[in-house]
Amino acid sequence: GQSLEQPSEVTAVEGAIVQINCTYQTSGFYGLSWYQQHDGGAPTFLSYNALDGLEETGRFSSFLSRSDSYGYLLLQELQMKDSASYFCAVRSSGGYQKVTFGTGTKLQVIP
Amino acid sequence: NAGVTQTPKFRILKIGQSMTLQCAQDMNHNYMYWYRQDPGMGLKLIYYSVGAGITDKGEVPNGYNVSRSTTEDFPLRLELAAPSQTSVYFCASSYRGDTQYFGPGTRLTVL
Repeated sequence: GQSLEQPSEVTAVEGAIVQINCTYQTSGFYGLSWYQQHDGGAPTFLSYNALDGLEETGRFSSFLSRSDSYGYLLLQELQMKDSASYFCAVRSSGGYQKVTFGTGTKLQVIP
Repeated sequence: NAGVTQTPKFRILKIGQSMTLQCAQDMNHNYMYWYRQDPGMGLKLIYYSVGAGITDKGEVPNGYNVSRSTTEDFPLRLELAAPSQTSVYFCASSYRGDTQYFGPGTRLTVL
C-alpha cells in the first residue's frame, strides 16, 4: 500500500519562502504530484515529478528523491492568496494504478 | 470545454435514502476518480475507473457503488445513506492519473 505524510500546518510571512514536505512509504509509484486547495474549493494541480530532482513552475518548485522516500513543494515570494491546503499524491505502479493523496498541509501566510 | 462537472452542488438526505451523484468530463480522459473529503481532512479515494467498463475499489468503498458505461460519465451511487456519509464528494478525471482535474464538488448532508 501507499502512505504519504505531511506536516499538518505551516505558517510563513508574505514575501518569504516556504517548504512543504512529503514523506512516503510505497511499494512503487510513477511520480509525485502536488495539488492546492483553497477553503471551500476543489483541488487544483500544481506540479509533477516523474524523475528525481527539481521541477520549477513560476513561483512554485517541486522536488523528489526516491532514495530518501521524500519530496517537497517550495513556494517562493509568498502571497496572501497562497494561503491554502497543499496535498502530495502518488500513482501506484501496480494493478490499476490507484492514486493516493497525502494527509495535507494547511499553509497560512501572514502579513 | 466544461472540464469536469458534478451535480448536484448540494444535497440533504434522510437516513436510509439513496441517491446518485453525477460526474461528467469532456476531455476524453480514461481515468476517473471519486473522493470524499471530511471537514479539515484529506482526500480519501472511494472508487476509480481506468476506462469504460473497468472500475476498482479505493480506500473507503463501503456504502457506495459505481458504474462506467461511457468514457464521459462516472456516477456514484449511495445506498441507504448514513450520517457517516456526510462529506464533500469530488470527482476527478485524468489522462494517466498524475495530473487530475477536479469537479467543483457535491456537499452532502445526511440527517
